[in-house]
Amino acid sequence: GAGVSQSPSNKVTEKGKDVELRCDPISGHTALYWYRQSLGQGLEFLIYFQGNSAPDKSGLPSDRFSAERTGGSVSTLTIQRTQQEDSAVYLCASSPGTAPNEQFFGPGTRLTVL
Amino acid sequence: AQSVAQPEDQVNVAEGNPLTVKCTYSVSGNPYLFWYVQYPNRGLQFLLKYITGDNLVKGSYGFEAEFNKSQTSFHLKKPSALVSDSALYFCAVSHSGGSYIPTFGRGTSLIVHP
Repeated sequence: GAGVSQSPSNKVTEKGKDVELRCDPISGHTALYWYRQSLGQGLEFLIYFQGNSAPDKSGLPSDRFSAERTGGSVSTLTIQRTQQEDSAVYLCASSPGTAPNEQFFGPGTRLTVL
Repeated sequence: AQSVAQPEDQVNVAEGNPLTVKCTYSVSGNPYLFWYVQYPNRGLQFLLKYITGDNLVKGSYGFEAEFNKSQTSFHLKKPSALVSDSALYFCAVSHSGGSYIPTFGRGTSLIVHP
């Protein structure tokens, strides 16, 4: 079956521009996570959506970062006024239910801010 | 609070030899432990998890991990390494009573030499 998909796979932007990253989770998965992966830094949690509950935004590094999830499915991560330190791979993952289930990851979006 | 440590940035092993990738954790409450593997330019793939029950957990591709509560460890092992096992390995922890958002380690690069 279809896995988690993310688009675009690569995004190059200029400092100060806004970018939108998209995630399509596995159908039926109620939990959706966004992470940022920088070289040698592991995975940094950004935001978590679970069903219709208010998202857990505790990992967002600044107010330039926001995310929404429409209809409990597709999610968009928006970064406003991008900075060079935002350059990283942004990973999306989904999982079924609220139990401690494994996560299914997308291939990621590589963001480069010039 | 929860944290996870992968003390080795890189592990080198010869093909056919046993391999171990180390992980230690710290949580309040019962831990939920996961291992993921990331191949170049790919998203993370789930290998195995410990939630409860037997301390020895078997997963994909011949990998296994042993939960050791007294040492707060969850080391990943394989009896005979393959060159194709070369990848980046991540340990993750969440815990009972929380939102199940896992914390990931920084990752360990496994290099299997022919």
